[in-house]
Parts: sequence; structure tokens; C-alpha cells
Amino acid sequence: ELKVEQNPLFLSMQEGKNYTIYCNYSTTSDRLYWYRQDPGKSLESLFVLLSNGAVKQEGRLMASLDTKARLSTLHITAAVHDLSATYFCAVYFQGGSEKLVFGKGTKLTVNP
Amino acid sequence: NAGVMQNPRHLVRRRGQEARLRCSPMKGHSHVYWYRQLPEEGLKFMVYLQKENIIDESGMPKERFSAEFPKEGPSILRIQQVVRGDSAAYFCASSPNRRSNTEAFFGQGTRLTVV
Repeated sequence: ELKVEQNPLFLSMQEGKNYTIYCNYSTTSDRLYWYRQDPGKSLESLFVLLSNGAVKQEGRLMASLDTKARLSTLHITAAVHDLSATYFCAVYFQGGSEKLVFGKGTKLTVNP
Repeated sequence: NAGVMQNPRHLVRRRGQEARLRCSPMKGHSHVYWYRQLPEEGLKFMVYLQKENIIDESGMPKERFSAEFPKEGPSILRIQQVVRGDSAAYFCASSPNRRSNTEAFFGQGTRLTVV
């Protein structure tokens, strides 16, 4: 059974600071997704990572994937208040069927 | 090109009633996935369907829950005799094919409240 663990689950940071969210998973996969969710809203797709060593950047967010270590990171650079949200990683699981297995999410609060 | 459409956005049911949640996938998408999100938690897979076929229902509770994706019309997630523990946000996602390397597109969700 595929398990996906994110940490930290809660993150409070000051504007302008940097931080990294980690996503570990337990079974081989060739696809990993990062999503953002604002309270009461749906999921906004941020990144799709498809290969070992993949790195993608959008604004102040950068995601990377190490399939050998089964680890993905979401790095936040010079945080701003607008980044406050919950961030989920989701791993594509193909055993017997196909589905996304989500981490519990990291609730990020960026304080002025 | 409209995205994944879910309705209703909010649904209130009394205990014992039935809830029907609808999901229209993106145009050209024939694969639909349903997920449930309890408050303060991540999304949990429920069921994966293609047109007229249930591919994987391993995440569906054994009783009261059913899903279908008919040849015509939206996918339906049906919850019979709802209980308070069914209160959650239910999200639908669609993708164009089995091995698509693009992301699954999520709908806005249906927030079910059982009173």
C-alpha cells in the first residue's frame, strides 16, 4: 500500500523567509503532483513532476523530485502573505488501478 | 473549454436521506475519479470509473455508497441513508486517458453537510 507523508503539517513563517516542505512516499511511482488549496476551495495544480531529478519553478515556488529517495520537496523563496494556503503532494499509484494518493497537507501561514 | 463541473456545490441532507453528487468531466475526458476530503485532512481516493465501467472502487465504503459513469451524462456518486460522518467535501477529477502524463483536473467539489 502506498503511503505518502508530508512534513511539516503546519508551518508558520515570516514574510521574506525561505522554507521547504517535504513529501516522502513508500512505493515506486513515476509521477508526483503538488497542489494548493485555499480554505473552502478546490485544488489548484502547481506542478507535475515526471522523472527523477525533475525540477520545476513558478514564481516563489520550486518543486523537485528524487525518485530513488522517493522524496519530493516544495521550496518557498522569500515568502509573501499570498502564499498562505494548504499544500498537498499527491503520488500517482498504479498498482492494480490508477489513482492519486495524497499526503495530509501542509498548512502554511505567512505572517507579515 | 469548461473545466470539471460538479454540482451541487453545497448540499445539506438530513440523516437517513439520500445524497446525489454529479460530476461532468472535461470535454474529451473519459476517466473520472472521486475523492473525499474530511475537514483538515487530505483527499482520500474513493473510486475510479471509465464510461460504463468501474475500474477501481477500493476506496468506497462497503455499504450505502455507489458510483456510476453512464454512456451519456455525468458521473454520479450516490450516498444512501446519509449519516453525520458522511459530511465532507467530495471532489471529482477527470483525465483524458489511462496513461496521460498531464495532471488530473479537479472540480470545485461538493460540500455535503448532514444534519
